[in-house]
Amino acid sequence: DTEVTQTPKHLVMGMTNKKSLKCEQHMGHRAMYWYKQKAKKPPELMFVYSYEKLSINESVPSRFSPECPNSSLLNLHLHALQPEDSALYLCASSQDPREGTEAFFGQGTRLTVV
Amino acid sequence: AQSVTQPDIHITVSEGASLELRCNYSYGATPYLFWYVQSPGQGLQLLLKYFSGDTLVQGIKGFEAEFKRSQSSFNLRKPSVHWSDAAEYFCAVGAGSGGYNKLIFGAGTRLAVHP
Repeated sequence: DTEVTQTPKHLVMGMTNKKSLKCEQHMGHRAMYWYKQKAKKPPELMFVYSYEKLSINESVPSRFSPECPNSSLLNLHLHALQPEDSALYLCASSQDPREGTEAFFGQGTRLTVV
Repeated sequence: AQSVTQPDIHITVSEGASLELRCNYSYGATPYLFWYVQSPGQGLQLLLKYFSGDTLVQGIKGFEAEFKRSQSSFNLRKPSVHWSDAAEYFCAVGAGSGGYNKLIFGAGTRLAVHP
């Protein structure tokens, strides 16, 4: 199983809503990532979890709150988002968190903030 | 600072023609280099990677890439393109951030394939 599974595939939320994105992998990977991809742009790193601990936060606004409940799951909690936060949110995992380790991506969650 | 440049925003080729997508990187040490492909509205699929050793690397779907340190390049090639290869292609460098894994992507090249 070399899959990273993200749910939901699509999400529309209002600016006062609270929602969560979910990511799951069963490859035994010990590093998990959130990337954000705006339309017609490359993905940009948001967070890195290493062995279930937050290791990198790329100066992401606090309205995005990551959580890693266990080694297979990664959540991204969303609250009070802005329309400019509309994007494709990609989860990825790698065997370990070291530089250059091959990352596997999920299909993404297409988020629209209205 | 680490960076990746993909000079071509759009490329159109005929089915069956050869393909070369360009990628240049800026990185202080020996880079970890990747090519990913993304179909519309989908996630990223790894085509191939370079860590060290042989500078010509083979990937999935018939793709290959050549690392040239003197030119700071990692160009992607395919001898005969299929219509299903139409997608967005991203070159990326595996840059360390505090020792942790961080991919820095180029802007991408959108490939269109004419029948």
